[in-house]
Amino acid sequence: DGGITQSPKYLFRKEGQNVTLSCEQNLNHDAMYWYRQDPGQGLRLIYYSQIVNDFQKGDIAEGYSVSREKKESFPLTVTSAQKNPTAFYLCASASGTGGAGANVLTFGAGSRLTVL
Amino acid sequence: QKEVEQNSGPLSVPEGAIASLNCTYSDRGSQSFFWYRQYSGKSPELIMSIYSNGDKEDGRFTAQLNKASQYVSLLIRDSQPSDSATYLCAVNQKRSSASKIIFGSGTRLSIRP
Repeated sequence: DGGITQSPKYLFRKEGQNVTLSCEQNLNHDAMYWYRQDPGQGLRLIYYSQIVNDFQKGDIAEGYSVSREKKESFPLTVTSAQKNPTAFYLCASASGTGGAGANVLTFGAGSRLTVL
Repeated sequence: QKEVEQNSGPLSVPEGAIASLNCTYSDRGSQSFFWYRQYSGKSPELIMSIYSNGDKEDGRFTAQLNKASQYVSLLIRDSQPSDSATYLCAVNQKRSSASKIIFGSGTRLSIRP
């Protein structure tokens, strides 16, 4: 079945440590996205990528980094520079082609990061 | 001004009634609009997408788009308890070759028996 796989589902980190969240899709989608969600809040865009080896900062990119070396993969690193990293992180992908269904996001199950 | 604004709710609607959810956006160049439903602790799932002015109906759901007023809404007819969730409005702000998709803060909907 096609879909998006995020791992790990739960992650605990000590302050000062970097951590990398994995996101893999087999939907052959061009675009991939990372969002952060805090309790009772909407989704805030961290980074997005339309093609391999290219990505753009979203609204809250500070303290995060990404890479897009393969079409299927878009890992997110939460660095020690991120002041309040405890949150629910969602990866999504979308077809970039026009017409019906364009830019419809398919989400992974999410990764819940807790900083101890 | 937030780029995508929604009333956070909670919006309480009796079972069988019509629930009306509203969303405004600030970027006039926005091209496509979406409503997602999110249950607590789960990922969002698409309810409706709309790309041109007017109404779009799918079963009990109707999305309405008015680009001149920068307004998009979602109507849920014959509301069911299973419709109780947070509804997220999303907007595609086209940026050169990339699609920047941003969300509002969501409206919590509660369907009371």
